[in-house]
Amino acid sequence: RKEVEQDPGPFNVPEGATVAFNCTYSNSASQSFFWYRQDCRKEPKLLMSVYSSGNEDGRFTAQLNRASQYISLLIRDSKLSDSATYLCVVGKAAGNKLTFGGGTRVLVKP
Amino acid sequence: DAEITQSPRHKITETGRQVTLACHQTWNHNNMFWYRQDLGHGLRLIHYSYGVQDTNKGEVSDGYSVSRSNTEDLPLTLESAASSQTSVYFCASSESGFGQGGTEAFFGQGTRLTVV
Repeated sequence: RKEVEQDPGPFNVPEGATVAFNCTYSNSASQSFFWYRQDCRKEPKLLMSVYSSGNEDGRFTAQLNRASQYISLLIRDSKLSDSATYLCVVGKAAGNKLTFGGGTRVLVKP
Repeated sequence: DAEITQSPRHKITETGRQVTLACHQTWNHNNMFWYRQDLGHGLRLIHYSYGVQDTNKGEVSDGYSVSRSNTEDLPLTLESAASSQTSVYFCASSESGFGQGGTEAFFGQGTRLTVV
């Protein structure tokens, strides 16, 4: 079983719609949680950190459920420019390690 | 602006050759990392460094080595390139670790390596 698992998608989303997807992690020692965005053939870039209380950044909302060991990302009012692969990333101090999920591909269509 | 750069961006090499991929960051970050990205596997950690003269193996370190002689650079060497090492390689750096309240990792633009 992979340490961080994501539905690879693609999620085909009409422009203006809401899309949500989850990521599960298996290591209960995980301490930090992130969503990164990766455009085709480009480097990953931080979209947002995920905090225990949940957090929002504009149209993006992230939630963390430690008990069930999953993280979610919700995108409201989807834009064409939101088309990308979203990487769930989990970190821990031991080994100073970030573990990446395989990514969820989102395609926003007119 | 501070940045992290990788070179070359694309490289084709032959099986058995030694190859070195360069990574240079200007943030003065102590932590630097090398990942490879392959379809079906996501990003996997090859080696990482907490500072000058420090190097550590990641989950897929066989066939790779790194050295850290200064804060800015972490070159990745493939000792004897194999076709299984055809991949996209990303270098990253971070200001601090990934424990509670972990910080952002900044990635270079990647090096696409093909071993024929």
